[in-house]
This record gives sequence, C-alpha cells and structure tokens, in this order.
Amino acid sequence: EVQLVESGGGLVQPGGPLRLSCAASGFIFANYWMSWVRQAPGKGLEWVASIKEDGRDKYYVDSVKGRFTISRDNTKNSLSLQMNSLRAEDTAVYYCARAGPAPGTRDYWGQGTLVTVSS
Amino acid sequence: EIVMTQSPATLSVSPGEKATLSCRASQSVTNLAWYQQRPGQPPRLLIYGASTRATGIPARFSGSGSGTEFTLSISSLQSEDFAVYYCHQSNNWPYTFGQGTKLEIK
Repeated sequence: EVQLVESGGGLVQPGGPLRLSCAASGFIFANYWMSWVRQAPGKGLEWVASIKEDGRDKYYVDSVKGRFTISRDNTKNSLSLQMNSLRAEDTAVYYCARAGPAPGTRDYWGQGTLVTVSS
Repeated sequence: EIVMTQSPATLSVSPGEKATLSCRASQSVTNLAWYQQRPGQPPRLLIYGASTRATGIPARFSGSGSGTEFTLSISSLQSEDFAVYYCHQSNNWPYTFGQGTKLEIK
C-alpha cells in the first residue's frame, strides 16, 4: 500500500525557517517525481515544487523561489522541503504527493502538515 | 503562467441529477487533470489527459474538452460526490490549479 506521511509542520515566526519531511513507503520511491502542494486555510490548491526521480531537476512556483528548497533521499525514501524566510502568506497545509499516470499529475497524497507563520 | 479559470464557483444540484463543471485555460493545454477534494481530505485524482479516468474512479465521472475549454461531468450524483473540484494544468511550469468549484446539495 502506498503511503506518504508528512511531518515537521508547526508554528514559526515570520522570517524563520522550517523543514518539512515526507516518508514514503509501498512503492519504489526512486522511480517517481515527487511534489509539494499547499493549501492556505479555506483556499484552493497551489503547486509549490517538484523534483525529478534522481533529484537533479527541481521546479518551484515563483513565490517561493530562493526561499524554499525541495530535496530527496532515495536511500531513505524521503522527500523534504526546506523553507526559509517564511512569510504569513506561506501559512497552509502542505501536502506531499507522488507523480501519477500522466506528466504532472499526482495520484497519491499524504494527509498534509500544517504550517502557521505568525508572531 | 497559465491561468486556469473555473465556473461556476458554486454549483447546487440535487442527488441523482447531473452536474457539469467548466474549466478554461488562458492558453492551450493538453495535460489537463481534475481533482476532487472532500472536507478534511487531500485531493483525489479523477481525470487526466482531459478525459481518462484514473484508477478506481467510477464511470459516472467523465472529462471532455481540448485546447482551452474543458468540462467535468458527473452523472447521477451520489452523496459522496458533493465536494470541491479543481482543474489543473501540467503543460508548463509553474503548474497551476483553477480556483475550484464547490458542488453542493440542492
């Protein structure tokens, strides 16, 4: 059974850092693109970042470029999102998601971890 | 950036009836997907490539369209279908979602 379990969310002050992790199991992690997608409270979905199977190619939404870094460890079946210089508008539930059957789709999602940026 | 616009924002339909949701892209796309999100749950992939149902998705869900205009149809609505639906393009970075259509019980 495919499982994605996020961790690392919490309350952080504006300008502070936070690192999210996603533990993957039930599939060959190294064979899939992985992504982070977020959802602000009561709002819609926003794609944040994606990383290729081997970790060499990474893509980000403009609003997080230079502040967030997506990475993966295929030996540990783990996906991470290092978030620096956090802003109030980064407050959201962050989902880890696995690539689906077509380019850019995601067929398995974690339950999400809440990040709250507030003083 | 490709802007995805969904309509209507809210759709009220009675159980057993058909719902039709629309999505427009600001430029032509081929990688168009639809997701369903129930309260407190992560999104669920319904349709990809505009018209292909994902694994395990009931046949009452169908997708159509091409270019910039797309439609998600749900025939004979069941209670579990009342949720928020998002269209999503993955042709160009940054990938973008529509703002969502809330399907509510009439």
